[in-house]
Amino acid sequence: EAGVAQSPRYKIIEKRQSVAFWCNPISGHATLYWYQQILGQGPKLLIQFQNNGVVDDSQLPKDRFSAERLKGVDSTLKIQPAKLEDSAVYLCASSPDPESKNIQYFGAGTRLSVL
Amino acid sequence: GENVEQHPSTLSVQEGDSAVIKCTYSDSASNYFPWYKQELGKRPQLIIDIRSNVGEKKDQRIAVTLNKTAKHFSLHITETQPEDSAVYFCAASIESNYQLIWGAGTKLIIKP
Repeated sequence: EAGVAQSPRYKIIEKRQSVAFWCNPISGHATLYWYQQILGQGPKLLIQFQNNGVVDDSQLPKDRFSAERLKGVDSTLKIQPAKLEDSAVYLCASSPDPESKNIQYFGAGTRLSVL
Repeated sequence: GENVEQHPSTLSVQEGDSAVIKCTYSDSASNYFPWYKQELGKRPQLIIDIRSNVGEKKDQRIAVTLNKTAKHFSLHITETQPEDSAVYFCAASIESNYQLIWGAGTKLIIKP
């Protein structure tokens, strides 16, 4: 079974620039999550999709972050404009629910450095 | 909402000894408790989980215990090995909303 795919693996940008991350979940997984993980901290949920609908985006900084999952499969997360404090690893995870009972499978992440 | 606290933040043990990491949660409705291991620069990986209908679960050298009354759960690693060195995260969830609330992580260091 192929895992959760993310790209790019690394991205370096200057502040105020824009950046986009892509995630392709495990085939058949209905739920998709985007997390932000700052160095030395646990993952922080940014947004949760169920198929192509948003379940929870309460922690997404909507003035600069946006995400979509138009066809209910792959997803993109965008930051525009980026700030220094956005430097982090952006993790995508998927879950097959409901049978999975919340088991989440993670991608390798995109490490973003904002200079 | 749910809040998960994890202790200690760093744990150093001699190779071969046991390691215990503890977490507490606040929402009594939480009923699913996974543990993830994250090696440096890699993705979090599920190592063991427990649901609220059991008090203990074991998988080889790893075990998790759950005390619903006290609202805490613990990860136990016996006969630690160098490859156990990593950051370990606990999490809690209410199965109906498919969200995990994460602890801050414990950096486990295995001394040779």
